[in-house]
Amino acid sequence: AQSVAQPEDQVNVAEGNPLTVKCTYSVSGNPYLFWYVQYPNRGLQFLLKYITGDNLVKGSYGFEAEFNKSQTSFHLKKPSALVSDSALYFCAVRLPNRDDKIIFGKGTRLHILP
Amino acid sequence: DAGITQSPRYKITETGRQVTLMCHQTWSHSYMFWYRQDLGHGLRLIYYSAAADITDKGEVPDGYVVSRSKTENFPLTLESATRSQTSVYFCASNFAGYTDTQYFGPGTRLTVL
Repeated sequence: AQSVAQPEDQVNVAEGNPLTVKCTYSVSGNPYLFWYVQYPNRGLQFLLKYITGDNLVKGSYGFEAEFNKSQTSFHLKKPSALVSDSALYFCAVRLPNRDDKIIFGKGTRLHILP
Repeated sequence: DAGITQSPRYKITETGRQVTLMCHQTWSHSYMFWYRQDLGHGLRLIYYSAAADITDKGEVPDGYVVSRSKTENFPLTLESATRSQTSVYFCASNFAGYTDTQYFGPGTRLTVL
């Protein structure tokens, strides 16, 4: 079955330290990969996406993600965390030629400690 | 205002009642989606629509009905609400294609007593 996994329900990082939020996927074909962020009582907001090309993708708010085809991973990273980065992060996979089919991970809550 | 809006933002209803959640977008996006968000499940697709008068089921469609008579509106109806439908519902849209970013509404928190 096709799936997206975010193995950590919660990640705690001290402010100023680098952060990583993990995402792995299991789909057939070449998927398109997305990261979204959700702040309290808000809808999801787009951060970045990988479609093709350079494996390192840069997005909003200083975030970046690295696509690793051999490890089927798309981890979200930021060199220096801010308290305002505290939120719920979702990895999503969209399947080629399937406009309807987008699979979300269960989300990882990121806590940045002052 | 431009963007994607949902109404109501909060709704409390009783088991067995019919409830309609509204979604409106001003971008003329072709695709619209309804998701529910539940703890431990992330987001699950309920229904989607590729264009006006074209709808299709997602992962968890049972108990829900959608329509799309106009491009900008995509209402979701719970015909006979059940407690298991207590959730946060998000509407989303995108212009076209599977490489396109989805834009999400602010959500509707529905409680079924």
